[in-house]
Order: sequence, then structure tokens, then C-alpha cells
Amino acid sequence: AQTVTQSQPEMSVQEAETVTLSCTYDTSESDYYLFWYKQPPSRQMILVIRQEAYKQQNATENRFSVNFQKVAKSFSLKISDSQLGDAAMYFCAYRSAWGRDDKIIFGKGTRLHILP
Amino acid sequence: DSGVTQTPKHLITATGQRVTLRCSPRSGDLSVYWYQQSLDQGLQFLIQYYNGEERAKGNILERFSAQQFPDLHSELNLSSLELGDSALYFCASSPRPGTGTQETQYFGPGTRLLVL
Repeated sequence: AQTVTQSQPEMSVQEAETVTLSCTYDTSESDYYLFWYKQPPSRQMILVIRQEAYKQQNATENRFSVNFQKVAKSFSLKISDSQLGDAAMYFCAYRSAWGRDDKIIFGKGTRLHILP
Repeated sequence: DSGVTQTPKHLITATGQRVTLRCSPRSGDLSVYWYQQSLDQGLQFLIQYYNGEERAKGNILERFSAQQFPDLHSELNLSSLELGDSALYFCASSPRPGTGTQETQYFGPGTRLLVL
């Protein structure tokens, strides 16, 4: 079975600085998708970024980028120019390729604090 | 706003009771997923429906059931409620195949259930 591990329960970063959240996963599959979701105090789950495993290029969405290392099974999220609104719980997530098991498997989350 | 709606936002009930949570997917989406978020178990997949048919089942208790109706909205029924059922219940939907993003799940705002 696939698993997702986030080893940092909490992190803090100074406003305007850069922070990297770690995530590792375990799977025997070669085709899958990885996601980072953000959950602010409102508890809404917001998609931050997605990565397709068959694409070697790392995904980027504005200030958010990932470092996807398929062999190492690592999927870290880098947030540049951190803003107060980035304070939230961040979940790393895994999903098998379409046609197999469609569920998303989530890590336990990393709570990110932004220090003004 | 993800386009997924859930009602009610909050629900307070007593042990032994039965409640129904409702979800409307994004316009055009055929898949609906239900997840439970609790403090001790994290985010867990419960069940998936695709165009009215059950597609995948996760850690869903026998006291829980769901269905997806012809208009594609879904309901999650929780019966014989216990204190441990208190959690945030999310519904998510994903685009139909062929859109290029069918693996991505968009989450509703959640229903917070408190069992007293």
C-alpha cells in the first residue's frame, strides 16, 4: 500500500523568506500524481500544486514550486517570499494514475507559521 | 471557491442519532469522493462515486452509507452516531476523463460534525 510521510509537524519562517516543506512517499507504481494541499484556519482544502510522475520537470505555481525526486520518492514544496496568508497546514498527497484506485492518500500535514 | 458545495456547514447531534450530509460537485464533474478528517486519524478516504455508481471504498464504517443521485449530488448518511464520529467531513469532485486534469480533486468547504 502507498504511504505518504511528512516528517516536520511544524515549521516557522520569517515573512518574505523562503521555506521548504518535506514529503516522502512509498509506492511500487510508476505512474501516479502528487499534490500539495493547503488548509488555512478556515479548514478549506485548497490545491496548491500538482505533479505528474512521468514528467521530470518540476511543477511551479507562482511562489510555489516543488522538487520532485522520483528515484528517492521525495516531493518537497518550496514557498518563496513567504506571506502571512501562507500560514496554514500543508498536506502532501498521492494518487494512483486514473483507472486504478482513485483515492488520494494524505500525509499527516505540516503546520506552517509565518513570523512577521 | 472550488465550486463544490456542502451542506450543512455545522451539525451538532447526540449519540445514537442519524444525520445526512449533502454535497454538490463542480458543474460537469462526475466523480464524488468523501473524506473524514479527525484529529487522531488525519484525512481518510471513505468512498467514491462515479456517475451514480460506487467506484471505490475506503475505511468507511458499516454505520455509514452514501449514494450519488441522477443529478450527481451525493449524500453521506451517518447512523448510530458515536462520540468518535465527530470530525470534519469533506466532499471532493474531479473533472471527467479527457479533460487533462481528471486526477485532481477539488474539495468543498466541509461539514463539521459534533456528536455530544
